[in-house]
Amino acid sequence: DADVTQTPRNRITKTGKRIMLECSQTKGHDRMYWYRQDPGLGLQLIYYSFDVKDINKGEISDGYSVSRQAQAKFSLSLESAIPNQTALYFCATSDGFGVDNEQFFGPGTRLTVL
Amino acid sequence: GQQVMQIPQYQHVQEGEDFTTYCNSSTTLSNIQWYKQRPGGHPVFLIQLVKSGEVKKQKRLTFQFGEAKKNSSLHITATQTTDVGTYFCAGHLYSNYQLIWGAGTKLIIKP
Repeated sequence: DADVTQTPRNRITKTGKRIMLECSQTKGHDRMYWYRQDPGLGLQLIYYSFDVKDINKGEISDGYSVSRQAQAKFSLSLESAIPNQTALYFCATSDGFGVDNEQFFGPGTRLTVL
Repeated sequence: GQQVMQIPQYQHVQEGEDFTTYCNSSTTLSNIQWYKQRPGGHPVFLIQLVKSGEVKKQKRLTFQFGEAKKNSSLHITATQTTDVGTYFCAGHLYSNYQLIWGAGTKLIIKP
């Protein structure tokens, strides 16, 4: 089984709808991240969490919110989706020891906002 | 804000030719990581460089970290079809724990 899972894998929705993307991990990592990927722009950090009680904004947090329900679960919400939020969204995890840790990515959620 | 510039955006090569991608940061990095994303896939960690001037090799892949810890490169010798994908660099700043990602270089093998 995959260590980092994301649901749904694909979602098409309409402008103004509320959407939740979910991420679960079995790696036992404390740190979890939500990224957005647009063609030609690499990965942009939306939010990150270093433990259950720690939530931090990334570089593009406007229009998004997150919830860290447990060590293993980190959800991303779009309260009122808009077309320019159409993108590929990745969840990632890393170990909590020090700054220098590789990140492990989920398979991604492709979101289309019409 | 802090940026990591990565060039080129695309590189088309014949199978067997070499490939190089370069990253430059506007500020000194504590370390730099490299990831590979296959078409339709997710980024997968390749390596991390920490020391000034560090060079690491993985078979046909050679990674370098500059003396000033502001630039890095990935060189692939004699590309194979299995090398196809997008290669990303990502640097950690000393000031926070976020990874700052380059935009990636897409390696395309000419038919």
